[in-house]
Amino acid sequence: EIVLTQSPGTLSLSPGERATLSCRASQSVTNNYLTWYQQKPGQAPRLLIYGASKRATGIPDRFSGSGSGTDFTLTISRLEPEDFAVYYCQQYYGSPRTFGQGTKVEV
Amino acid sequence: QVQLQESGPGLVKPSETLSLTCTVSGGSISGYYWSWIRQPPGKGLEWIGYIHYSGSTNYNASLESRLTISVDTSKNQFSLKLNSVTAADTAIYYCTRLDCSGHCYPGTWGQGTLVTVSS
Repeated sequence: EIVLTQSPGTLSLSPGERATLSCRASQSVTNNYLTWYQQKPGQAPRLLIYGASKRATGIPDRFSGSGSGTDFTLTISRLEPEDFAVYYCQQYYGSPRTFGQGTKVEV
Repeated sequence: QVQLQESGPGLVKPSETLSLTCTVSGGSISGYYWSWIRQPPGKGLEWIGYIHYSGSTNYNASLESRLTISVDTSKNQFSLKLNSVTAADTAIYYCTRLDCSGHCYPGTWGQGTLVTVSS
């Protein structure tokens, strides 16, 4: 099983600041089969990024994903008020599919 | 725009079977993979398993002995059955449609339904 470790657990920032979230895999995620999701309280997760760096339909370009192999990053270039949420990475290469434990971006 | 809606009992007794259905609207269930994911209250996400519209399945090994995922293309629905539940199975259960770019990942999610295991 591929274990994903996200850091930090909580990121305290202000609107307009840059957020950098990390996701590290216990083994290589082949073909960069990694997604990022945003989840707000009481809502289902929302797909942001697939293939490590491809933005999903309708996702603003302030969200970007990068990385390969075992180290991946989600960057929010300038935080908007609606971006404060929990973010999860997920790998869809190995079985079972696994998620990181989440990073909370708070004000 | 495809939409997914989970339905089923919100309360299940320990040792009984948890049964949920996901109804797909705004699109056909054919041609896609579909999955179940759960989230214990206040915790992270856990992959349960997925099914192809043809009926082929892939389960999380940690749940496989208790799990059945099935599809009914005539009703545009797929279902989850989890046997011998305990309090550890209390969670919000989400159904998703998988989008594929090489391998497949959850793209569209249902709103989720909370299932509590308690006597």
